Formats: sequence, C-alpha cells, structure tokens
Amino acid sequence: ETGVTQTPRHLVMGMTNKKSLKCEQHLGHNAMYWYKQSAKKPLELMFVYNFKEQTENNSVPSRFSPECPNSSHLFLHLHTLQPEDSALYLCASSRGLAEITDTQYFGPGTRLTVL
Amino acid sequence: GQQVMQIPQYQHVQEGEDFTTYCNSSTTLSNIQWYKQRPGGHPVFLIQLVKSGEVKKQKRLTFQFGEAKKNSSLHITATQTTDVGTYFCAGLLAGGGADGLTFGKGTHLIIQP
Repeated sequence: ETGVTQTPRHLVMGMTNKKSLKCEQHLGHNAMYWYKQSAKKPLELMFVYNFKEQTENNSVPSRFSPECPNSSHLFLHLHTLQPEDSALYLCASSRGLAEITDTQYFGPGTRLTVL
Repeated sequence: GQQVMQIPQYQHVQEGEDFTTYCNSSTTLSNIQWYKQRPGGHPVFLIQLVKSGEVKKQKRLTFQFGEAKKNSSLHITATQTTDVGTYFCAGLLAGGGADGLTFGKGTHLIIQP
C-alpha cells in the first residue's frame, strides 16, 4: 500500500454516462496528479493540483473535468466519453512542487472501459 | 515538446541473464526517476538521479545518469523471475518547473525460467 487509494478499481460505462473517479491520499501531501496510461502510449500527465489549485492542464478534452476539494482528495468527472478514452487512470501525490520533483506515489489505478 | 524515448520496448531474457533499458531525452533533464510496474499493478518508485554522471545501486540494479543529463540507464544483473514487469523512466525538464514528469513508454521485461 502506498497511501494513495483510488475508487472504483474497475469501471465500465457507456458514452452517454456520467461517472466520477475518486482518489484519496493519506500521506499529508500537497500535490496531486491524474495520469492516463494507455496500452500503446507513454504515461500521460493530465492534471496537476498543488494546494488545491490546478497548475497544469495538458490539453485534456473538456469531457474530463477534475475537482480537488482539499489536498487529500482528487476527483475526475467523466461525461460523454469516447471508446478511445478506455485506459488505466492513475492518481499520484507528492509532497509538493519544487525544482527537484519529490517522489510521486501512485494509487492502484482505475481501469476504465468505455463502450 | 519534450520527449523521453525508452528502448527496447520488449526484452526477453533467460533467468540469470543481465538486462538493460535505456532512456534518452531530447532536452536536458533536471532529474530522472525510474519506476517499476508489475503486471496488473501500478508504477512504484525505484530511484531518483539528480547529478550529472551519477551512479546508484540497489542490490542487483544499477542506475546511471549521463554526463549531459540527457540519458539514463537501468541495468539488472542476473535477472530473477521477480524482476518481471515494465520499467519506466520519467524525466523532469531542467528549468521548466515541476508540474509533472514526462514518462518513457517503458520496457517490458519478460523472463524465461
């Protein structure tokens, strides 16, 4: 266990559904991240939050909507997704953002399948 | 944009043989991290290299950071079945802040008993 939990672990949804992914870290970290891991691509950074403020949005389509109500929780709201959005979505946290990046601790991921 | 290339994509070895994966960046890196992902699991942090020419060892694993801080390697001596998984390098662009890392595609290590 890394101290980062994600729910659900598996999710199957239709293209018209709305669902949310949840991430929680118990490490007292201030920075949280969403990554997308597809089978044929490198791990892709999607969003970065530092002290609840979004600092990075890597050209992610608006059908993905992040929310960070506090430093311990991070959500990824999904709506009208496409089949190509099927992937493993990983959450990570780190102590903070600095010139030398702190170690990122990853959650187990949510395996998303869009039908 | 910054690219981190990792080779090979797949590596089959006999148990007991050595294994090396290489990571190359198109730009100078501030630091580089290595992660291991077991089949069905999530990336787990292995090590971070910061200094030019740095070499670090963890038991049978040897990590190197190039003099120009643009390349890195991970070498495993005498592989064991527990070494199976995907090894990712992740680089942070020098002077570019620390909003996130750029990951390589990973090298899948397959070990035949």
